[in-house]
Amino acid sequence: EAQVTQNPRYLITVTGKKLTVTCSQNMNHEYMSWYRQDPGLGLRQIYYSMNVEVTDKGDVPEGYKVSRKEKRNFPLILESPSPNQTSLYFCASSPGGTLGNEQFFGPGTRLTVL
Amino acid sequence: GQNIDQPTEMTATEGAIVQINCTYQTSGFNGLFWYQQHAGEAPTFLSYNVLDGLEEKGRFSSFLSRSKGYSYLLLKELQMKDSASYLCAVRDRNHLGGSYIPTFGRGTSLIVHP
Repeated sequence: EAQVTQNPRYLITVTGKKLTVTCSQNMNHEYMSWYRQDPGLGLRQIYYSMNVEVTDKGDVPEGYKVSRKEKRNFPLILESPSPNQTSLYFCASSPGGTLGNEQFFGPGTRLTVL
Repeated sequence: GQNIDQPTEMTATEGAIVQINCTYQTSGFNGLFWYQQHAGEAPTFLSYNVLDGLEEKGRFSSFLSRSKGYSYLLLKELQMKDSASYLCAVRDRNHLGGSYIPTFGRGTSLIVHP
């Protein structure tokens, strides 16, 4: 089944404790993105990747890192989480080239930083 | 950057028709998307417009006017399950991610009542 998976789905952590949210897609998509969703603010792009080893900042990258060592995986790293990073996070992927239309979203990761 | 505007909330009656508007400003328009998102779930793709006109897909239709920077999503024969947020997203060649990763509006929460 074609899908985007994220882990964990739910996480409660404390300020300053490094964490990684994994994202994996099995559709051989070139483009992958991370978004955070907050009430009243909608989906905001954190980082995106156009291909392996090609990543760049989105609209709200502060406090986050990403890597794209393999095509299928695009982990989101919070080196020192803070309470303002409490949010719902979505990973998304889409094919490249002229097929790059629909984005497929993962199920979301609800993160609480105390 | 982009400026995407859509109403925060709308209500409608089961069986009726509702139109959700989206206005945007871009310097390098490269497509507009509509996504549906039920509470606590991932967004799912509804439609894509890149040329002016109406795209119809079952009960849902989407319209685009590039010269006016305007789109709408039309939902016919509303059902209770259509209660969800509807997200307008725009791709801009001159924005982050080049041509293939869209920026999302804040979403319109649609409430369908009996």
